[in-house]
Amino acid sequence: EAQVTQNPRYLITVTGKKLTVTCSQNMNHEYMSWYRQDPGLGLRQIYYSMNVEVTDKGDVPEGYKVSRKEKRNFPLILESPSPNQTSLYFCASSRQGLYGYTFGSGTRLTVV
Amino acid sequence: GENVEQHPSTLSVQEGDSAVIKCTYSDSASNYFPWYKQELGKGPQLIIDIRSNVGEKKDQRIAVTLNKTAKHFSLHITETQPEDSAVYFCAANAGGTSYGKLTFGQGTILTVHP
Repeated sequence: EAQVTQNPRYLITVTGKKLTVTCSQNMNHEYMSWYRQDPGLGLRQIYYSMNVEVTDKGDVPEGYKVSRKEKRNFPLILESPSPNQTSLYFCASSRQGLYGYTFGSGTRLTVV
Repeated sequence: GENVEQHPSTLSVQEGDSAVIKCTYSDSASNYFPWYKQELGKGPQLIIDIRSNVGEKKDQRIAVTLNKTAKHFSLHITETQPEDSAVYFCAANAGGTSYGKLTFGQGTILTVHP
């Protein structure tokens, strides 16, 4: 089944403890992206990647890191999480730039 | 950067009625406009998209129109059904070569009453 898989689905962590949310797609898509979703703010793009080793900032990149060492994987790294990063995170992939993204099921992160 | 405004924030209709959601964007170089549907507890799902070289696209009960001069685009759902109830998001890409950069509207909660 074609899908975007992100793990974990739920995560509670403490301020300052580094964490990684994994994302993998099995559709051989070129583009991958991370979004956060907050009530009243819609979906905001954190980072996106156009290919292996090619990444660029979205609208809210501060406090996040990404890497794209393999085509199928695009992990999101929070080096020092803070409570304002409590949110619902989505990973997505797209075969090319002018095609829609396929989204994963989301990761609900709580930072206390 | 791109700014996408979406209206209304909530929309309530009776089953069988039509629903229209409107979005405006700021970047005149944007050339790709997708619409997503998000059901409770799930990720957004692409339902229809339009590129800047066409003014209208239809897929069964849903259609999207684009007015590049006015920089607005709309989603039209006809003969609404209760299963159309969800949150709908419009989006627009960044211009130039930043195809992967996508800015979303704030979302519309659509409720279809049986």
